[in-house]
Order: sequence, then structure tokens, then C-alpha cells
Amino acid sequence: GAGVSQTPSNKVTEKGKYVELRCDPISGHTALYWYRQSLGQGPEFLIYFQGTGAADDSGLPNDRFFAVRPEGSVSTLKIQRTERGDSAVYLCASSLIPRHTQYFGPGTRLTVL
Amino acid sequence: GNSVTQMEGPVTLSEEAFLTINCTYTATGYPSLFWYVQYPGEGLQLLLKATKADDKGSNKGFEATYRKETTSFHLEKGSVQVSDSAVYFCALPGASKLTFGTGTRLQVTL
Repeated sequence: GAGVSQTPSNKVTEKGKYVELRCDPISGHTALYWYRQSLGQGPEFLIYFQGTGAADDSGLPNDRFFAVRPEGSVSTLKIQRTERGDSAVYLCASSLIPRHTQYFGPGTRLTVL
Repeated sequence: GNSVTQMEGPVTLSEEAFLTINCTYTATGYPSLFWYVQYPGEGLQLLLKATKADDKGSNKGFEATYRKETTSFHLEKGSVQVSDSAVYFCALPGASKLTFGTGTRLQVTL
């Protein structure tokens, strides 16, 4: 069966621009997570959805970051006024229900010039 | 809050050598523990897990035992192969997220 997919795989943008990153979770998984992985570091939590609602957004670094999951499946991470420090690999994961094993997508590498 | 401390890499071994990657954690209660692996150019994959104290997780020749006395979950393999070259992450689940260590890069040479 299909795993978690993320698009695009690579995104290069200029400082100040707006970007959207998409995550398609495993079919039937109710929980969806976004993480950010900087070079040489482990993934850091950004936000978690249970169904359509953001159950925990405590990891979002500031109000330039926002994520939605309007139909409880696909999710979009949105970053406004990008900064060079936003450059990282953005990872999406899903699990069947909360607290179950999380399965990760391949990530989107974001580069802000 | 939860935290994970992993030994720093890189770790360079010859093929068939014994591997240990140390991981210790701080958490409330006795959570499950995970090892994830990231092969070059690929996404994070779950390698193994243990759900309670004294459990041993195993997969692909790797093992890790959940030791509550030492709050550790060290990863071991008796004989590494070149194909094991990757970055290994110890992870601890919380109510809504995984907390990862910084990762340990393993390089296995012939």
C-alpha cells in the first residue's frame, strides 16, 4: 500500500515569499504530524492533527507558520514571509490513531535564498 | 519534559564489527521507545521499538533493550554490513509527538 507522500520533494524560494508544502498521509490514518529537521539534527515537532483539528500546535515557531487539514486527510503546511532560517527538511508523518507508530514521508527540502 | 540523549557520531566501523549506539532518556512514567533509521536519500523508517520495561525490540539483526533502571535503550548489532550505513535516531513518544535524539551517523567500510 502507499506510504506517506509529500510534495514537492524540493522547494527553492526567495526570502519573503510564501510557500505551501503538502502531505498525503496513509489512507485511514486519523493522526497527522509535521516535523522540521535542520542539518545534523533530529526532527523537531511542529504540529499534530487529530482528524481535521490541530490538537497540538505548540511546536510552530511563530505566526508565519500555519497548517490545515480541512477534510481530515491531506494537510498543507503554509509558511509566510519566508526567512533563510526556515531552510530545512519538513517531514510529515501519520499514524492510525494517536500514540500509535508514526510513519514518515520522504520530506520536502525547503531552501530559502 | 521528555528528552533523549544520543551518543554523537560519526561512528566508523569495519564490516562485521560490533555496533553499539547509546541512548538515554528522561520521561514521566514508562513510555514506549523507538529507534528510527534514515538511509542516504530516504525518509525516516521505524527500525524497532519496545513498549515496556525489559522488552527487547529487534529487526534486521539490530536489538535494543528497554532498561528502566538506567533509563537507556542502546542499539546493538553483532556484525554490521556496509548497507547499515545510515543515520540512527532514538525517539520517545509523548502525548502528541515524538521527541528525537540528534541522530548518530554510522559509516561501515569494507
